[in-house]
Amino acid sequence: EADIYQTPRYLVIGTGKKITLECSQTMGHDKMYWYQQDPGMELHLIHYSYGVNSTEKGDLSSESTVSRIRTEHFPLTLESARPSHTSQYLCASSPGPGNQPQHFGDGTRLSIL
Amino acid sequence: QKEVEQDPGPLSVPEGAIVSLNCTYSNSAFQYFMWYRQYSRKGPELLMYTYSSGNKEDGRFTAQVDKSSKYISLFIRDSQPSDSATYLCAMSRSGGAGKSTFGDGTTLTVKP
Repeated sequence: EADIYQTPRYLVIGTGKKITLECSQTMGHDKMYWYQQDPGMELHLIHYSYGVNSTEKGDLSSESTVSRIRTEHFPLTLESARPSHTSQYLCASSPGPGNQPQHFGDGTRLSIL
Repeated sequence: QKEVEQDPGPLSVPEGAIVSLNCTYSNSAFQYFMWYRQYSRKGPELLMYTYSSGNKEDGRFTAQVDKSSKYISLFIRDSQPSDSATYLCAMSRSGGAGKSTFGDGTTLTVKP
């Protein structure tokens, strides 16, 4: 079983707050990803990272930012949360190189009031 | 048009039935094909991972890839209530930084 952890699991917070969603993996994977998933919809890639100090924007435009200072840690930050940010956020990792499948955390369900 | 189209479902079958879940795709560069299972309020869990065309079997699960038709399938034999979940197909291309494109998912319910 994949060892990738996301906290918090659930977050309900007011508009305008700064939010950081945590993601950590203990597998030493080089690549990490953040997805946004709405009910019944496909996963949308919003950020990914090849390794330490490497981050790229994904296919879906997002107002969030990410950092990768340590291999195991890939936090996502929203500077000023809005109701449109309400969604489920999934973190994943995969070993490099090549196209190994991704392993997912259980997600953070975010609700912005 | 989406690169990956998945049969929308939902799908409801009796216990013991054979289930077929299907995806089509338009990008001929896709070479790696995955099936994930996602239980409610959990993250996707990798079920099957295949490269290029052919079949792969793992217990009650068989993944089938037909690159000529741009069509992939997941078969579940002797389905169980514990198989009730949303199933996501995913695929990626060589050199794509490991990024995958996902289908919307098919929700399966297996009734005892």
